[in-house]
Amino acid sequence: DAGITQSPRHKVTETGTPVTLRCHQTENHRYMYWYRQDPGHGLRLIHYSYGVKDTDKGEVSDGYSVSRSKTEDFLLTLESATSSQTSVYFCAISVRVGETQYFGPGTRLLVL
Amino acid sequence: GESVGLHLPTLSVQEGDNSIINCAYSNSASDYFIWYKQESGKGPQFIIDIRSNMDKRQGQRVTVLLNKTVKHLSLQIAATQPGDSAVYFCAEPATGANSKLTFGKGITLSVRP
Repeated sequence: DAGITQSPRHKVTETGTPVTLRCHQTENHRYMYWYRQDPGHGLRLIHYSYGVKDTDKGEVSDGYSVSRSKTEDFLLTLESATSSQTSVYFCAISVRVGETQYFGPGTRLLVL
Repeated sequence: GESVGLHLPTLSVQEGDNSIINCAYSNSASDYFIWYKQESGKGPQFIIDIRSNMDKRQGQRVTVLLNKTVKHLSLQIAATQPGDSAVYFCAEPATGANSKLTFGKGITLSVRP
């Protein structure tokens, strides 16, 4: 998985609780991404980062926030989890914009 | 909008046969394409890529062909093995600031023993 880890790998939480997912890379890649994968929708971009403290929204960013205080870590926070955020979340990294993205192993999140 | 799509949702092949997975794209300005493999419970894994200045690129047991005239690319897997069973996506990075990957919906390759 190209030196990318995600934690936790599985999480069950209740509606209304905050949740933070962590992506950690050892490749020193500048760009980092958060996707969610759902049946019938494929992979959709939530947020991405183009450097430390530099982030921007993707196509499904509502209800999510991100932070990147170090090159190697990209955090995804669900401020108040909802059942619609039940999904598998993938982190990805790339060296440059428009280049291949390498994916982590994913986090399976269930919001009850 | 622009999209990257796949023709078939499933493909079943006999072990040892060659597999061909097809993908169509709609943006004639696209200049880079990536094939990913995703096994159950895992993240997408890079297989091979191709740039628009090439028609063909070969890897280990895999070949990607690009036909820019009809905006079509294919992934060929030689001597398909049980370990090749997975979902395969073609993807196209956007050239904008967010480098968003546009994925096809995926095709499931099932290898019969």
